[in-house]
Amino acid sequence: LAKTTQPISMDSYEGQEVNITCSHNNIATNDYITWYQQFPSQGPRFIIQGYKTKVTNEVASLFIPADRKSSTLSLPRVSLSDTAVYYCLVGTGGSYIPTFGRGTSLIVHP
Amino acid sequence: GAGVSQSPSNKVTEKGKDVELRCDPISGHTALYWYRQSLGQGLEFLIYFQGNSAPDKSGLPSDRFSAERTGGSVSTLTIQRTQQEDSAVYLCASRAGQTNEKLFFGSGTQLSVL
Repeated sequence: LAKTTQPISMDSYEGQEVNITCSHNNIATNDYITWYQQFPSQGPRFIIQGYKTKVTNEVASLFIPADRKSSTLSLPRVSLSDTAVYYCLVGTGGSYIPTFGRGTSLIVHP
Repeated sequence: GAGVSQSPSNKVTEKGKDVELRCDPISGHTALYWYRQSLGQGLEFLIYFQGNSAPDKSGLPSDRFSAERTGGSVSTLTIQRTQQEDSAVYLCASRAGQTNEKLFFGSGTQLSVL
């Protein structure tokens, strides 16, 4: 299974754009890249998923370079409510077990 | 239902007692996962059910832990002879079908073993 590496924590301020980069050097050809968000006392929630290039939805954008060895989650104009832990996952396949590391703890300051 | 439902939301028990945690996945979802999360830590995989296949139990930490899924729907995670180190949030997630489909999580059961 592809291992992911992402920063343990990040700080930002309201209104700023936040970019969280995840490294996955041994990503397999069929692997997808998926990001989840977790608020305190809740289970993780799906944010976005991509395979290559760029994906955008109403919450975030996901940038994936051609070699797919990393990906960047971009949160535009964050607010205090974006304070959460963000997890990067890589994988797919018949016996896929999503592996959540410690994620990136994002704190948004006023 | 509208989402994944877990019960109870909180469980306090004494060391040595058995506990049962319940998960109601989204109707029609064939895959079901159990994870646990200790304070400030990531999610630790416990067990995975996929349709009628034998479950993947590779994440269960000891033989005190077991889980079943009846009728391909509701799942119960049982912890026998609970220990203080079992204290954690136990999260259940379900997935529709294809392995790159997103997981839907419940809010978890906070287990405290005194």
